[in-house]
Order: sequence, then C-alpha cells, then structure tokens
Amino acid sequence: AQSVTQLDSQVPVFEEAPVELRCNYSSSVSVYLFWYVQYPNQGLQLLLKYLSGSTLVKGINGFEAEFNKSQTSFHLRKPSVHISDTAEYFCAVTTPAGGGADGLTFGKGTHLIIQP
Amino acid sequence: NAGVTQTPKFQVLKTGQSMTLQCAQDMNHEYMSWYRQDPGMGLRLIHYSVGAGITDQGEVPNGYNVSRSTTEDFPLRLLSAAPSQTSVYFCASRQTGTSGYTFGSGTRLTVV
Repeated sequence: AQSVTQLDSQVPVFEEAPVELRCNYSSSVSVYLFWYVQYPNQGLQLLLKYLSGSTLVKGINGFEAEFNKSQTSFHLRKPSVHISDTAEYFCAVTTPAGGGADGLTFGKGTHLIIQP
Repeated sequence: NAGVTQTPKFQVLKTGQSMTLQCAQDMNHEYMSWYRQDPGMGLRLIHYSVGAGITDQGEVPNGYNVSRSTTEDFPLRLLSAAPSQTSVYFCASRQTGTSGYTFGSGTRLTVV
C-alpha cells in the first residue's frame, strides 16, 4: 500500500514570490506521482504527472515538480505566483497499471493562499 | 462536452434514506472510481471498477455499494444514509494503459 504526506496544510505567499509545496510518499513498489489543483467549489484538475524518465516535470500554469527517488519526494514549485493560484493542491500516487488495486492515494492537501 | 458527468450536484438526505449518486463517462474508459472528500482528509477511495462487471473495495467502502453493468456508468448507492456520509463525492475514470484520471465536478451530499 502507498501513502502520501503533504507536509504543510496551509502555505501563505505574497504575490509574485516563489512557492514550494512539499510532498513525500511511501511505497514498496514503483509509483506514478501526480499533482492536482482544486479551485473553490470545483472538481480536480491535473497540474502535472511523473510516470518515468526525466525527474523534472513541467505542468500547466507555470508549475513544475521534481521527483526525488532517494528522498521519496515530489515537491511542487512555481517561480512567481499570482492571485489566481489561490487553491487547494493535492499530491497523489498510484502504482503502474496492473501493479495492484486501481485508484489514487491522495495527500490531505495544501491550501495555497496568495497575499497581495 | 466529453468527460465525466455526475448527478446530482447537491443533495440533502435524512438519516436512513437511500439514494444513488450517478456517474457517467463518454470516453470509453475501462477504469472508474469513487472518492469522498472531507475537510483535512484529502480524497479517499471508496470503490473502483476495472471494467464492466468487475468492482472492488477501496479504502472506505462501508455503507456504500456499487455496480458496473455498462462501461459508461458507475453508480454509487447509499442504502441507509448516515450523518458521517456527509461529504463531497467525486467520480473519476481513466483508460486502460494510461495513468491520467479524469474527474467529475462532484456531488455535495448532506445527511441530516
């Protein structure tokens, strides 16, 4: 079984400042990693995903994440945030297809608050 | 628009009532799943299906039933609603051989 830990429940950042949202995972097998964003009263939108290959993954809206196998981490970064980035961010993990039960295991979420 | 459609968007139930949350996708995805979202808990997997006629339990299956008679539909049934089932429910699907999950817009359920 896998687990995901998002180390910060809330991260306040000033507009145009850089941000890092931290995510650590635990798994006995290889994993796929995801970051999703949820704007208020909306569903989940995929920001980016790591399946294999390059450990630096670029996503939508200027976000990127780096997979670090030795640290079992998948931290999300953005060099300059905007008010519109205010949202809940979820890190999630699953095993490659056929590797076990289907479905995503989510972290508890990080609320990104952008201050003007 | 193609995607995952959930109905209803909002529902209020009395304790003990039953209801079905509907989920339909028109992308011919084999895999479908249900999650519940509670404050401070993230999303937790309730049930999932890897194809028509095949379902299995996730992390929090108690109090919920599912069936998968067609590829398109994956309804979630609450047989006797309890206040602890007050939550936002999301349905998601993905195609075989891919890792990308598509989520519906959610159903907000309140049990009083």
